Amino acid sequence: DIQMTQSPSSVSASVGDRVTITCRASQGISSWLAWYQQKPGKAPKLLIYAASSLQSGVPSRFSGSGSGTDFTLTISSLQPEDFATYFCQQAKSFPLTFGGGTKVEIK
Amino acid sequence: EVQLLESGGGLVQPGGSLRLSCAASGFTFSKYAMSWVRQAPGKGLEWVSGISGSGAATYYADSVKGRFTISRDNSKNTLDLQMNSLRAEDTAIYYCATAQHYGNFFDYWGQGTLVTVSS
Repeated sequence: DIQMTQSPSSVSASVGDRVTITCRASQGISSWLAWYQQKPGKAPKLLIYAASSLQSGVPSRFSGSGSGTDFTLTISSLQPEDFATYFCQQAKSFPLTFGGGTKVEIK
Repeated sequence: EVQLLESGGGLVQPGGSLRLSCAASGFTFSKYAMSWVRQAPGKGLEWVSGISGSGAATYYADSVKGRFTISRDNSKNTLDLQMNSLRAEDTAIYYCATAQHYGNFFDYWGQGTLVTVSS
């Protein structure tokens, strides 16, 4: 199985800050990676697919990069509605696997 | 508008069984693979099981293999998850999800149904 490791597990940031979250796969997954945002009590929301493609309707302050084993989600200027938990997910092979999550908290 | 509505969650004793359902609407159900993803209280996401559009191919996480069975009825636009031999660690919100745009990237999710395994 492909293990997904996210870091950090939490980050404290202020509105306007640039935030970067990383995800590492235990083996190469090419660009088969997605990023999701989840708010309390809600289902996850797809932000980025294929490592760097922005899902329709997602603000352009969100961006993804990387390929192979190392990936990054960047929020260029954190907004109040961005405080949430973010998960990466590999879609290269079954079983599909998620990272442990990164909670973005208000500083 | 794509809608996924889960049902069937509840309280069950360890060793018991439960059947979850997901009613889909707003898209051509038989064209798309479907999955179940769960989230234990306060924990991360765990993919549980997936099924191809035709139902011919099924996939499971190791943690549920041999205990859970995924199925679909394309005539009724429903996805099911039969859960047997339930354990405390199966306690979670169970979401059904589909990837319609590209690959196994889940762009639509249901609201989830809570399964609690406890005596």
